[in-house]
Amino acid sequence: DAKTTQPNSMESNEEEPVHLPCNHSTISGTDYIHWYRQLPSQGPEYVIHGLTSNVNNRMASLAIAEDRKSSTLILHRATLRDAAVYYCILTNLYNQGGKLIFGQGTELSVKP
Amino acid sequence: GAVVSQHPSRVICKSGTSVKIECRSLDFQATTMFWYRQFPKQSLMLMATSNEGSKATYEQGVEKDKFLINHASLTLSTLTVTSAHPEDSSFYICSVSDRISGSNEKLFFGSGTQLSVL
Repeated sequence: DAKTTQPNSMESNEEEPVHLPCNHSTISGTDYIHWYRQLPSQGPEYVIHGLTSNVNNRMASLAIAEDRKSSTLILHRATLRDAAVYYCILTNLYNQGGKLIFGQGTELSVKP
Repeated sequence: GAVVSQHPSRVICKSGTSVKIECRSLDFQATTMFWYRQFPKQSLMLMATSNEGSKATYEQGVEKDKFLINHASLTLSTLTVTSAHPEDSSFYICSVSDRISGSNEKLFFGSGTQLSVL
């Protein structure tokens, strides 16, 4: 599985935008970029995913670099409930069944 | 509402006993479920892939006789930690795939089971 690199931790102020980076320099053409987050003492939850184009949903936006070697998860207005560990994961088109391999993720703290 | 129900949320047991954790898919039939383990301040580690009607596929280093997985129906997978010891204390999480096609799919996770072995 292609590897991703994320900062261990980031801080944000409430109601400000947050940009969470992810490097994936060995990404292949058939790898999707997925983001999940895990709130304390809970299972992870899906945030967003994309292949080549930028993506938006009600939770966040995903900006993918033109060479696809990096991506950024954007939370437009951080709230205290967004404090979590955010995982950037690559999944291959041919990896049938949805197996996800988690890296260390970025622990986001949000200050009031 | 919840897509995946995991039960129990917390269990404390004595060393040497066995503990069963259930994972139910509520919204769709799941031919495949995944079991993860997470130690404090660490990331999730995939333990095994649970396949409905067939044997589970275990990741390297995970003892299949220690962690018994049964996926007898399209909505239920169980993980049994046999002869549990304190080092098995961990947060166990199941996930279910709402498969659309290839990797353009997302996983739904249970709320996790905190196992504490005394």
